[in-house]
Amino acid sequence: DAKTTQPTSMDCAEGRAANLPCNHSTISGNEYVYWYRQIHSQGPQYIIHGLKNNETNEMASLIITEDRKSSTLILPHATLRDTAVYYCIVRVANTGNQFYFGTGTSLTVIP
Amino acid sequence: GAVVSQHPSWVICKSGTSVKIECRSLDFQATTMFWYRQFPKQSLMLMATSNEGSKATYEQGVEKDKFLINHASLTLSTLTVTSAHPEDSSFYICSARDLRGRQETQYFGPGTRLLVL
Repeated sequence: DAKTTQPTSMDCAEGRAANLPCNHSTISGNEYVYWYRQIHSQGPQYIIHGLKNNETNEMASLIITEDRKSSTLILPHATLRDTAVYYCIVRVANTGNQFYFGTGTSLTVIP
Repeated sequence: GAVVSQHPSWVICKSGTSVKIECRSLDFQATTMFWYRQFPKQSLMLMATSNEGSKATYEQGVEKDKFLINHASLTLSTLTVTSAHPEDSSFYICSARDLRGRQETQYFGPGTRLLVL
């Protein structure tokens, strides 16, 4: 069951930051927020995940609101290769539970 | 990130034949793998959970006798589409559960595109 809401599509200028929002108002205390992306005709690629603290890695930053009801994935300097469908998923970690994918956000990076 | 491979990357077969797709975790052991299916312009749909050394768990509406799953080792799961028909044409993707880090995550294979004629 997809328990997240994301905009269907977004555009971003190349070189600018891409901010992808996700609403997860029914998130439970032990559920993590995961972000994956899928470039056309490829398998999903793991980006980042977090529980309540903001997280950053070499790909992106994840900002989670204090009430945990929403989050934002930030790609600091978008490139054309970042054009993909981005999925926000909430699930309990370390349980072996499946990932249920929603419809995601189709991000187009414009030259 | 961890590496998960799939073989073949694409396959074309005649209606009525069986097709086997392999999913391998290359740099870690995975006691649990998952199989997904994705139709054009749609999201991934979970088909089944593959557990090493035990029977797979299928999602509602997925025929276990048609989609045979074997997870014989900690690095290999196979999906066999038996008696394939044109409606089985799809993009099949596996993922493997990685428990090495502080928290679990899952890594996905590149997918296998199946076309049944």
